[in-house]
Amino acid sequence: GAVVSQHPSWVICKSGTSVKIECRSLDFQATTMFWYRQFPKQSLMLMATSNEGSKATYEQGVEKDKFLINHASLTLSTLTVTSAHPEDSSFYICSARDTSGSTGELFFGEGSRLTVL
Amino acid sequence: QKEVEQNSGPLSVPEGAIASLNCTYSDRGSQSFFWYRQYSGKSPELIMFIYSNGDKEDGRFTAQLNKASQYVSLLIRDSQPSDSATYLCAPGYRGDSKIIFGSGTRLSIRP
Repeated sequence: GAVVSQHPSWVICKSGTSVKIECRSLDFQATTMFWYRQFPKQSLMLMATSNEGSKATYEQGVEKDKFLINHASLTLSTLTVTSAHPEDSSFYICSARDTSGSTGELFFGEGSRLTVL
Repeated sequence: QKEVEQNSGPLSVPEGAIASLNCTYSDRGSQSFFWYRQYSGKSPELIMFIYSNGDKEDGRFTAQLNKASQYVSLLIRDSQPSDSATYLCAPGYRGDSKIIFGSGTRLSIRP
Protein backbone atom coordinates (compact mmCIF):
# COMPACT_ATOMS: atom_id res chain seq x y z
CA GLY A 1 0.00 0.00 0.00
CA ALA A 2 0.92 3.64 -0.24
CA VAL A 3 3.51 4.85 2.20
CA VAL A 4 4.31 8.23 3.63
CA SER A 5 7.73 8.61 5.14
CA GLN A 6 8.67 11.28 7.66
CA HIS A 7 12.10 12.29 8.84
CA PRO A 8 13.53 12.76 11.40
CA SER A 9 11.50 10.62 13.77
CA TRP A 10 12.79 12.57 16.72
CA VAL A 11 14.85 15.68 17.21
CA ILE A 12 16.16 17.64 20.14
CA CYS A 13 17.22 21.21 19.64
CA LYS A 14 18.12 24.30 21.60
CA SER A 15 15.70 27.14 22.03
CA GLY A 16 15.98 29.67 19.22
CA THR A 17 17.14 27.25 16.55
CA SER A 18 15.16 26.07 13.54
CA VAL A 19 14.19 22.52 12.76
CA LYS A 20 13.14 21.06 9.43
CA ILE A 21 10.89 18.00 9.12
CA GLU A 22 10.49 16.21 5.80
CA CYS A 23 7.48 14.31 4.58
CA ARG A 24 7.66 12.15 1.48
CA SER A 25 5.06 10.14 -0.37
CA LEU A 26 7.02 7.10 -1.50
CA ASP A 27 4.88 5.51 -4.17
CA PHE A 28 2.27 8.04 -5.11
CA GLN A 29 2.09 11.70 -5.98
CA ALA A 30 0.50 14.02 -3.48
CA THR A 31 -0.58 17.47 -4.61
CA THR A 32 -1.75 18.07 -1.09
CA MET A 33 -0.26 17.06 2.21
CA PHE A 34 -1.46 17.82 5.68
CA TRP A 35 0.52 18.69 8.79
CA TYR A 36 -0.84 17.85 12.22
CA ARG A 37 0.48 18.48 15.69
CA GLN A 38 -0.35 16.48 18.76
CA PHE A 39 0.42 17.27 22.38
CA PRO A 40 0.47 14.48 24.96
CA LYS A 41 -2.96 12.97 25.59
CA GLN A 42 -4.58 15.42 23.21
CA SER A 43 -6.15 14.96 19.79
CA LEU A 44 -4.57 15.52 16.41
CA MET A 45 -4.69 19.18 15.53
CA LEU A 46 -4.53 20.19 11.89
CA MET A 47 -1.93 22.91 11.45
CA ALA A 48 -1.92 23.48 7.73
CA THR A 49 -2.57 22.11 4.29
CA SER A 50 0.49 21.99 2.10
CA ASN A 51 -0.19 22.60 -1.58
CA GLU A 52 2.30 21.62 -4.26
CA GLY A 53 3.62 24.66 -6.06
CA SER A 54 1.66 27.18 -4.05
CA LYS A 55 1.36 28.61 -0.58
CA ALA A 56 0.21 26.52 2.29
CA THR A 57 -3.16 27.11 3.88
CA TYR A 58 -2.88 27.55 7.63
CA GLU A 59 -5.53 26.84 10.21
CA GLN A 60 -6.69 29.60 12.47
CA GLY A 61 -4.24 30.31 15.24
CA VAL A 62 -1.23 28.74 13.54
CA GLU A 63 1.57 31.20 12.86
CA LYS A 64 2.62 30.91 9.24
CA ASP A 65 5.89 32.74 9.85
CA LYS A 66 6.82 30.33 12.57
CA PHE A 67 5.81 27.12 10.84
CA LEU A 68 7.15 27.40 7.31
CA ILE A 69 5.80 24.89 4.85
CA ASN A 70 7.29 24.17 1.47
CA HIS A 71 5.80 21.73 -1.02
CA ALA A 72 8.25 21.93 -3.88
CA SER A 73 7.47 18.63 -5.55
CA LEU A 74 4.64 16.14 -5.79
CA THR A 75 6.34 13.83 -3.32
CA LEU A 76 7.92 16.13 -0.76
CA SER A 77 6.63 18.63 1.76
CA THR A 78 8.73 20.17 4.50
CA LEU A 79 7.77 21.83 7.76
CA THR A 80 10.31 24.16 9.33
CA VAL A 81 9.77 25.23 12.90
CA THR A 82 11.63 28.53 13.09
CA SER A 83 13.10 29.93 16.29
CA ALA A 84 11.78 26.99 18.22
CA HIS A 85 10.82 27.37 21.86
CA PRO A 86 9.97 24.80 24.52
CA GLU A 87 6.25 25.28 23.92
CA ASP A 88 6.79 24.04 20.36
CA SER A 89 7.79 20.66 21.73
CA SER A 90 5.23 18.28 20.31
CA PHE A 91 4.59 15.33 18.03
CA TYR A 92 4.31 16.48 14.41
CA ILE A 93 2.64 14.19 11.90
CA CYS A 94 2.26 14.61 8.18
CA SER A 95 -0.28 12.86 6.01
CA ALA A 96 -1.29 12.59 2.40
CA ARG A 97 -4.14 11.14 0.45
CA ASP A 98 -3.56 8.96 -2.59
CA THR A 99 -6.23 10.51 -4.80
CA SER A 100 -5.50 8.04 -7.58
CA GLY A 101 -6.88 5.29 -5.40
CA SER A 102 -10.54 4.48 -5.07
CA THR A 103 -10.86 4.88 -1.32
CA GLY A 104 -9.06 8.14 -0.71
CA GLU A 105 -7.31 6.70 2.32
CA LEU A 106 -5.29 9.21 4.28
CA PHE A 107 -1.80 7.85 4.90
CA PHE A 108 0.22 9.08 7.84
CA GLY A 109 3.92 9.46 8.27
CA GLU A 110 5.60 7.96 11.30
CA GLY A 111 5.61 11.28 13.07
CA SER A 112 8.42 13.49 14.33
CA ARG A 113 8.84 14.12 18.03
CA LEU A 114 10.35 17.53 18.65
CA THR A 115 11.86 18.47 21.98
CA VAL A 116 13.07 22.01 22.42
CA LEU A 117 15.37 22.57 25.36
CA GLN B 1 -17.14 22.77 13.59
CA LYS B 2 -15.69 19.29 13.67
CA GLU B 3 -16.72 16.93 10.91
CA VAL B 4 -17.03 14.03 13.28
CA GLU B 5 -17.86 13.68 16.94
CA GLN B 6 -16.71 10.90 19.21
CA ASN B 7 -16.95 10.20 22.90
CA SER B 8 -13.43 10.80 24.13
CA GLY B 9 -13.69 8.10 26.78
CA PRO B 10 -11.80 6.44 28.25
CA LEU B 11 -13.88 3.40 27.46
CA SER B 12 -12.88 0.51 29.67
CA VAL B 13 -13.74 -2.98 28.48
CA PRO B 14 -12.76 -6.32 30.05
CA GLU B 15 -10.55 -8.58 28.02
CA GLY B 16 -12.56 -10.91 25.80
CA ALA B 17 -15.62 -8.65 25.70
CA ILE B 18 -16.94 -6.60 22.80
CA ALA B 19 -15.81 -2.98 22.56
CA SER B 20 -18.23 -0.64 20.81
CA LEU B 21 -16.99 2.69 19.49
CA ASN B 22 -19.28 5.27 17.95
CA CYS B 23 -18.87 8.25 15.68
CA THR B 24 -21.45 10.74 14.41
CA TYR B 25 -20.87 13.01 11.46
CA SER B 26 -22.36 16.24 10.23
CA ASP B 27 -21.88 16.15 6.46
CA ARG B 28 -24.65 14.17 4.81
CA GLY B 29 -22.52 14.07 1.69
CA SER B 30 -19.94 11.82 3.32
CA GLN B 31 -20.10 8.51 1.53
CA SER B 32 -17.42 6.51 3.26
CA PHE B 33 -15.45 6.35 6.44
CA PHE B 34 -12.16 5.17 7.82
CA TRP B 35 -11.36 3.96 11.26
CA TYR B 36 -7.83 4.61 12.44
CA ARG B 37 -6.10 3.28 15.52
CA GLN B 38 -3.44 5.32 17.27
CA TYR B 39 -1.20 3.89 19.92
CA SER B 40 0.31 6.29 22.39
CA GLY B 41 3.30 8.03 20.86
CA LYS B 42 2.66 6.65 17.39
CA SER B 43 0.93 7.96 14.31
CA PRO B 44 -2.51 6.68 13.28
CA GLU B 45 -2.84 3.46 11.29
CA LEU B 46 -5.80 2.38 9.19
CA ILE B 47 -7.83 -0.54 10.46
CA MET B 48 -11.15 -0.37 8.61
CA PHE B 49 -12.78 1.29 5.62
CA ILE B 50 -16.54 1.26 4.99
CA TYR B 51 -18.49 2.88 2.18
CA SER B 52 -21.91 1.31 2.13
CA ASN B 53 -24.72 1.09 4.62
CA GLY B 54 -24.63 -1.91 6.85
CA ASP B 55 -21.83 -3.95 8.31
CA LYS B 56 -18.35 -4.80 7.14
CA GLU B 57 -16.37 -7.44 8.95
CA ASP B 58 -12.63 -7.98 9.03
CA GLY B 59 -11.39 -10.46 11.55
CA ARG B 60 -12.34 -9.27 15.01
CA PHE B 61 -13.40 -5.87 13.70
CA THR B 62 -16.83 -4.92 12.36
CA ALA B 63 -17.60 -1.46 11.03
CA GLN B 64 -21.18 -0.32 10.77
CA LEU B 65 -22.41 2.63 8.73
CA ASN B 66 -25.86 4.17 8.99
CA LYS B 67 -26.16 7.06 6.55
CA ALA B 68 -29.72 7.90 7.48
CA SER B 69 -28.75 8.46 11.10
CA GLN B 70 -25.29 9.77 10.23
CA TYR B 71 -23.28 7.53 12.45
CA VAL B 72 -20.57 4.99 11.99
CA SER B 73 -19.43 2.52 14.60
CA LEU B 74 -16.66 0.04 15.18
CA LEU B 75 -17.09 -3.19 17.10
CA ILE B 76 -14.10 -5.11 18.38
CA ARG B 77 -14.86 -8.68 19.38
CA ASP B 78 -12.77 -10.68 21.82
CA SER B 79 -10.99 -7.53 22.95
CA GLN B 80 -7.31 -7.91 23.69
CA PRO B 81 -4.99 -5.70 25.75
CA SER B 82 -3.24 -4.85 22.48
CA ASP B 83 -6.45 -3.16 21.35
CA SER B 84 -5.90 -0.47 23.97
CA ALA B 85 -5.43 2.67 21.91
CA THR B 86 -7.24 5.76 20.67
CA TYR B 87 -9.62 5.16 17.78
CA LEU B 88 -10.34 7.88 15.24
CA CYS B 89 -13.02 7.96 12.58
CA ALA B 90 -12.64 10.10 9.48
CA PRO B 91 -14.64 10.65 6.29
CA GLY B 92 -13.36 9.04 3.10
CA TYR B 93 -12.46 10.30 -0.32
CA ARG B 94 -13.24 13.95 -0.85
CA GLY B 95 -10.55 15.05 -3.25
CA ASP B 96 -7.93 17.05 -1.42
CA SER B 97 -10.23 18.20 1.33
CA LYS B 98 -8.65 18.50 4.72
CA ILE B 99 -9.77 16.35 7.60
CA ILE B 100 -10.28 17.77 11.03
CA PHE B 101 -10.27 14.90 13.46
CA GLY B 102 -12.32 14.72 16.57
CA SER B 103 -10.83 13.77 19.87
CA GLY B 104 -11.03 10.07 19.12
CA THR B 105 -12.13 7.51 21.67
CA ARG B 106 -9.56 6.18 24.09
CA LEU B 107 -10.13 2.47 24.62
CA SER B 108 -8.64 0.57 27.51
CA ILE B 109 -8.87 -3.22 27.67
CA ARG B 110 -8.47 -4.44 31.22
CA PRO B 111 -7.09 -7.94 31.80
